[in-house]
Amino acid sequence: GAGVSQSPSNKVTEKGKDVELRCDPISGHTALYWYRQSLGQGLEFLIYFQGNSAPDKSGLPSDRFSAERTGGSVSTLTIQRTQQEDSAVYLCASSRGALPDSPLHFGNGTRLTVT
Amino acid sequence: GENVEQHPSTLSVQEGDSAVIKCTYSDSASNYFPWYKQELGKGPQLIIDIRSNVGEKKDQRIAVTLNKTAKHFSLHITETQPEDSAVYFCAAYNNNDMRFGAGTRLTVKP
Repeated sequence: GAGVSQSPSNKVTEKGKDVELRCDPISGHTALYWYRQSLGQGLEFLIYFQGNSAPDKSGLPSDRFSAERTGGSVSTLTIQRTQQEDSAVYLCASSRGALPDSPLHFGNGTRLTVT
Repeated sequence: GENVEQHPSTLSVQEGDSAVIKCTYSDSASNYFPWYKQELGKGPQLIIDIRSNVGEKKDQRIAVTLNKTAKHFSLHITETQPEDSAVYFCAAYNNNDMRFGAGTRLTVKP
């Protein structure tokens, strides 16, 4: 079946511009995570959505980062006034329910390059 | 919060040999430890996981061991094949918080 879909796959933007990254989770998955993967680094947690509960935003690195999840499905990660240090691969993952009973399924990520 | 350390950062083995990757974690409350394989241009894929009430789990050529007392867990790949070449990540989970190691780049030489 269809997996987690992320778009765009690649995004090049100029410093100072805003970007929006989209994640379509697997249908029926209630949990959704955003992670950031910098070159040669592990996955850095950004934000977590579970059903209708308030999201856990504790991983967002600054107030330039925000995320929404509309209708409990599609999620958008927005980065305002991008900086070069924002360059990374942004990964979205979803699970049917709460971990650890439901494993995480990752998308292929959006590679963001800020010039 | 949880801190996960992973070693080695790179590992090169000959086809057919075994590969071992080790992780340590800091939060004794962590109760779920998955391992992910990430191929170039793809997102991480779950390959095996273990819960804190189990000491070892095996799936064909892949096994994971967990030592709760020492707070470390390991991935073992036997009879390695070139298609095992990828970046492997360990993670530790507790209460909606999943923390990942920095990854190990495994190269299997034919």
